Amino acid sequence: EADIYQTPRYLVIGTGKKITLECSQTMGHDKMYWYQQDPGMELHLIHYSYGVNSTEKGDLSSESTVSRIRTEHFPLTLESARPSHTSQYLCASSAWGTDTQYFGPGTRLTVL
Amino acid sequence: GQQVMQIPQYQHVQEGEDFTTYCNSSTTLSNIQWYKQRPGGHPVFLIQLVKSGEVKKQKRLTFQFGEAKKNSSLHITATQTTDVGTYFCAGPKNSGYSTLTFGKGTMLLVSP
Repeated sequence: EADIYQTPRYLVIGTGKKITLECSQTMGHDKMYWYQQDPGMELHLIHYSYGVNSTEKGDLSSESTVSRIRTEHFPLTLESARPSHTSQYLCASSAWGTDTQYFGPGTRLTVL
Repeated sequence: GQQVMQIPQYQHVQEGEDFTTYCNSSTTLSNIQWYKQRPGGHPVFLIQLVKSGEVKKQKRLTFQFGEAKKNSSLHITATQTTDVGTYFCAGPKNSGYSTLTFGKGTMLLVSP
């Protein structure tokens, strides 16, 4: 198993709140990714980064934003959470020169 | 754009039966990867195939990459309850080390 961490693991919040989901990896990987996944369903790429100060939008339109100020850290922020944001959010990373991805344990978000 | 399709979407087998999931890409792939996600868990990398016609084995799991590098299969011999989960195939979105396009996954349920 790779060393990639996500906090919190579970989060229940009310509509309109601002939240930040944390993702950190200790492998020195340059590339990091955020996916959204409903239970038992496909993975949707919402953001990715190729390194510090690099961020790109993924295939699925998302109201979230990301930043990459440090190599090991790739937080995802929702400015105003809505019930439609209820899902699991998975962070992943991969080393430069490969495309194999290592996933964190995920954050299960419920917006009431 | 590139599409990666998996069939079947779901399969329920008795313990001891064999299982196969198939993956087809709309474009030629430089490599194909397989991931397993246990219920409630996160995707875990299983294997990567690179060469045309390549076959790799991991205990009871056999992975194949098609000659045209557009399709792949995962075969499990004599399933066990520990094989339960969703199996995803994934290929690089374009040449070079880029994001991955994941299939929608095949959910495997094994009854004892």
